Amino acid sequence: AQSVTQLDSQVPVFEEAPVELRCNYSSSVSVYLFWYVQYPNQGLQLLLKYLSGSTLVESINGFEAEFNKSQTSFHLRKPSVHISDTAEYFCAVYGGSQGNLIFGKGTKLSVKP
Amino acid sequence: NAGVTQTPKFQVLKTGQSMTLQCAQDMNHNSMYWYRQDPGMGLRLIYYSASEGTTDKGEVPNGYNVSRLNKREFSLRLESAAPSQTSVYFCASSEGPAGAQDTQYFGPGTRLTVL
Repeated sequence: AQSVTQLDSQVPVFEEAPVELRCNYSSSVSVYLFWYVQYPNQGLQLLLKYLSGSTLVESINGFEAEFNKSQTSFHLRKPSVHISDTAEYFCAVYGGSQGNLIFGKGTKLSVKP
Repeated sequence: NAGVTQTPKFQVLKTGQSMTLQCAQDMNHNSMYWYRQDPGMGLRLIYYSASEGTTDKGEVPNGYNVSRLNKREFSLRLESAAPSQTSVYFCASSEGPAGAQDTQYFGPGTRLTVL
């Protein structure tokens, strides 16, 4: 069965500092991985996804994630964060036959001035 | 193009009351989903619908029923609400059939409290 582990429940950082949000997965089927972001009092929005091809995927707002098959990881990184990046980030793996996503428990990123 | 809409945004129920959460999408998507979000638990799938007229159980279906009214609308019903159903409920939709690795688009959520 598929599962996702987000290793940090909260990550506080200062503005303009780099950040890494860690995600490990287990999957017995082909691996398709997603990062979603949830801003306060909003629904989830897709940040980026890995389906195939290049193992490094990027979002339009400067985040990137690298699919590492040997380490079963899909960590999310940003070299310099902004106050506006404060949100909860969810890593997810495609669940298979149901078409649903299996979500991690989320990491709350708090960017301080 | 509103995407995925949900009503109501907030609801307070007493134990034993019933209610229906409404969801609609205007993207002509085939698949629709209901998730619940609880603190420290991430999102868990309640029910999904791969196409109009079909519904299937997800990870936590007990205490819920769903109806795929047409291609646009997918409702979630609580027949006899319990405090354990206090949660934030999200509806989502995706273009392809269930089993395709499509992006899922989420609604803004319904915050439900059961006293």
